[in-house]
Amino acid sequence: SQQGEEDPQALSIQEGENATMNCSYKTSINNLQWYRQNSGRGLVHLILIRSNEREKHSGRLRVTLDTSKKSSSLLITASRAADTASYFCVGAGNNRKLIWGLGTSLAVNP
Amino acid sequence: DVKVTQSSRYLVKRTGEKVFLECVQDMDHENMFWYRQDPGLGLRLIYFSYDVKMKEKGDIPEGYSVSREKKERFSLILESASTNQTSMYLCASKTGGGGYTFGSGTRLTVV
Repeated sequence: SQQGEEDPQALSIQEGENATMNCSYKTSINNLQWYRQNSGRGLVHLILIRSNEREKHSGRLRVTLDTSKKSSSLLITASRAADTASYFCVGAGNNRKLIWGLGTSLAVNP
Repeated sequence: DVKVTQSSRYLVKRTGEKVFLECVQDMDHENMFWYRQDPGLGLRLIYFSYDVKMKEKGDIPEGYSVSREKKERFSLILESASTNQTSMYLCASKTGGGGYTFGSGTRLTVV
């Protein structure tokens, strides 16, 4: 099964700073996805990057993908208190079953 | 706005009760999933369905069953609820190579 493991487990920054989270996976993928989860809620899809892409932007989000290292990073620029959440990555391939990591817990302090 | 709707946000049930968790999506997605999320364990797949009346076991199907009689609805059934099934349950749907759309979750407490 595809897998995502996030690093660091927890991150605390000040509002306005950038936040970088990393993700590793073990098998070949067709795309890699990042999600956000606010406390006690469902996950929200943020961005999808395909295996033939190296970088993708969406608003304040920047995602990179290095398939040779089986890793991805999510950069949130100019963070806001509302970005406080857990962030998950998951690599998707031909297998419908995905294995999710424990996420990175981001705290943005006002 | 496309949605995955879970019927209850919070649910409290007694041990031994039969529990139904309902999930409805309005996106005509083929694939639907049920996860549970527990602290320190992350999201674990219980069951998924890739078509009407089709189902496949996930990683932790024991104690659960599912029903998919219509494309838009995927129900999770706890045949006889136990305290170790206290958890956050998340339903999701997807189509093709796109991302998942999750519901808001149901926090189930079994007492």
